[in-house]
Amino acid sequence: DAGITQSPRHKVTETGTPVTLRCHQTENHRYMYWYRQDPGHGLRLIHYSYGVKDTDKGEVSDGYSVSRSKTEDFLLTLESATSSQTSVYFCAISEGREERGPYEQYFGPGTRLTVT
Amino acid sequence: AQSVTQLDSHVSVSEGTPVLLRCNYSSSYSPSLFWYVQHPNKGLQLLLKYTSAATLVKGINGFEAEFKKSETSFHLTKPSAHMSDAAEYFCVVSLFSGTYKYIFGTGTRLKVLA
Repeated sequence: DAGITQSPRHKVTETGTPVTLRCHQTENHRYMYWYRQDPGHGLRLIHYSYGVKDTDKGEVSDGYSVSRSKTEDFLLTLESATSSQTSVYFCAISEGREERGPYEQYFGPGTRLTVT
Repeated sequence: AQSVTQLDSHVSVSEGTPVLLRCNYSSSYSPSLFWYVQHPNKGLQLLLKYTSAATLVKGINGFEAEFKKSETSFHLTKPSAHMSDAAEYFCVVSLFSGTYKYIFGTGTRLKVLA
């Protein structure tokens, strides 16, 4: 299994509080992604990173920010949590070398976040 | 624009019978396609990927998928379902526009009946 961990694995928080989720990899892969999974929607991309300090928005980025100061760590922050952000969050990594892929993604175990 | 449609949200089969999970894609160029499986309360695991080297792709656990450009399809099949195949399956297309991104289908939940 690819070395990807997510922390925390479960979190309950109150509306309006900031929350940070961490993704850590030991594979030295260039790309890291944050998704949320909700019933009927599959996985939707929140933000992704293609290198240290290089990040971009996905399709559902409102209310979220990210940071990547080291290759191995990718942080997702909910600036002020809302009930609509209750979801399961998955981190994924991918090699993404310069030549064309395809490059598969490897997924972490997920973080279940509940906003009350 | 790239997109992927999984035609069935739920599929039920009896153990020992064939499995067919359908996926259609839309891509302006030759796509990279993947199938992932997610067992309950687990992360996603790669089943197989289309590399353009062969249109019939074999994956893990007896699954395979056939890329059909004329039909823009990448259906997942297995000759004989096992109880352990019960899971959710995702068809994914990747796109490269300076950086790599992935678009997921909404998933097909496979139920295997004893």
